[in-house]
Amino acid sequence: DIQMTQSPSFLSASVGDRVTINCKASQNINKYLNWYQQKLGEAPKRLIYNTNNLQTGIPSRFSGSGSGTDYTLTISSLQPEDFATYFCLQHNSFPGTFGAGTKLELK
Amino acid sequence: EVQLVESGGGLVQPGRSMKLSCAASGFTFSNYGMAWVRQAPTKGLEWVATISYDGSSTYYRDSVKGRFTISRDNAKSTLYLQMNSLRSEDTATYYCTRVTDYWGQGVMVTVSS
Repeated sequence: DIQMTQSPSFLSASVGDRVTINCKASQNINKYLNWYQQKLGEAPKRLIYNTNNLQTGIPSRFSGSGSGTDYTLTISSLQPEDFATYFCLQHNSFPGTFGAGTKLELK
Repeated sequence: EVQLVESGGGLVQPGRSMKLSCAASGFTFSNYGMAWVRQAPTKGLEWVATISYDGSSTYYRDSVKGRFTISRDNAKSTLYLQMNSLRSEDTATYYCTRVTDYWGQGVMVTVSS
């Protein structure tokens, strides 16, 4: 299985900050990389699919980039509702594999 | 609005069985592959099983092969996960997901004596 290394595990930031979260795959995943947001007790929500495609209804402050083995989620200006856990998923190779998650906390 | 609602979790003894269900609505269920993903306490997410849109093809992670069975009833828009010979390491929150976009809220399964 492809291994996904996500960093950082924890991120402390303030409203208005720009933050980036990274996922590195153990091999080329051909941009088949999704990003999700999860809040306690809620269903995970897909933010970005296939590296840089914004899911309908997701604010444009969320963006994704990357290629090959390295991928990034950027939140351009943190809003109070963005404090949550984020994780990546590669679906280039079966089975899909996940990053371990990044918990974004209010500084 | 797409909705996936899991049910059937709870506390079960090691070696016993449990069946999870996922009721889907808001989309044409029979058009989509579906999957179960789980997350053990303090651990990361892992893919458990996947089924094709028509049920003709399934995938299982090695640790559940021969013990878990994924199935679907397209007439009822419902996904199932039959879990037999449960082990303590199967303790997790189980999520139903429409590969790979929408997810349910999850249902907790605790395997303990």
